[in-house]
Amino acid sequence: DVQLVESGGGLVKPGGSLRLSCAASGFTFSNYNMNWVRQTPGKGLEWVSSISSSLSFIYYKDSVKGRFTISRDNARNSLYLQMNSLRAEDTAMYYCVRDRGSFDLWGRGTLVSVSS
Amino acid sequence: EIVLTQSPDFQSMAPKEKVIITCRASQNIGSSLHWYQQKPDQSPKLLITYASQSFSGVPSRFSGSGSGTDFTLTINGLEAEDAATYYCHQSSSLPRTFGQGTKVEIK
Repeated sequence: DVQLVESGGGLVKPGGSLRLSCAASGFTFSNYNMNWVRQTPGKGLEWVSSISSSLSFIYYKDSVKGRFTISRDNARNSLYLQMNSLRAEDTAMYYCVRDRGSFDLWGRGTLVSVSS
Repeated sequence: EIVLTQSPDFQSMAPKEKVIITCRASQNIGSSLHWYQQKPDQSPKLLITYASQSFSGVPSRFSGSGSGTDFTLTINGLEAEDAATYYCHQSSSLPRTFGQGTKVEIK
């Protein structure tokens, strides 16, 4: 099956860190740009970060620059998001998303809660 | 940042009715506009790419139109399984942005 499976979410205190992972299967992962998108009840869907297929291009939403780092391992068919200095406003469901201009494949998400 | 504004925020319609959701961009995005459906406790699913191209496997009752700043998602003949929140999304420029969502309820 073509799928993306996220892991690594959880409850963390403000200022803490988490590393999200996304395992891709059923397609040639190295051919696609990938993204992290998050969703909160209050702010809806928010694009967080993108990484190109060859790792040449990386982009971040302004509010996470300097705190989050996106990476990928094409040999392991995996996407990652290292999140440091977490804030309450980072609380959200985080989705791993395949990019073909449109976001054509989404994982089921992993929940990140930042609270003391 | 390109702002996408959807209308209405909520729509309650009977089965078989026609549903029209609009998405307005704060600047010209050409045809780089996509539509998604999200049901409760599920991740979003792609319906329409580049304003008017139906994604594989999407029922033919879903269609999209528009270009520039004004776009429309139409559901011709609403079915019970279409109860969901619908989002537009632009890929014209970074940061990628989404509309606030339109919740469709079946009467």
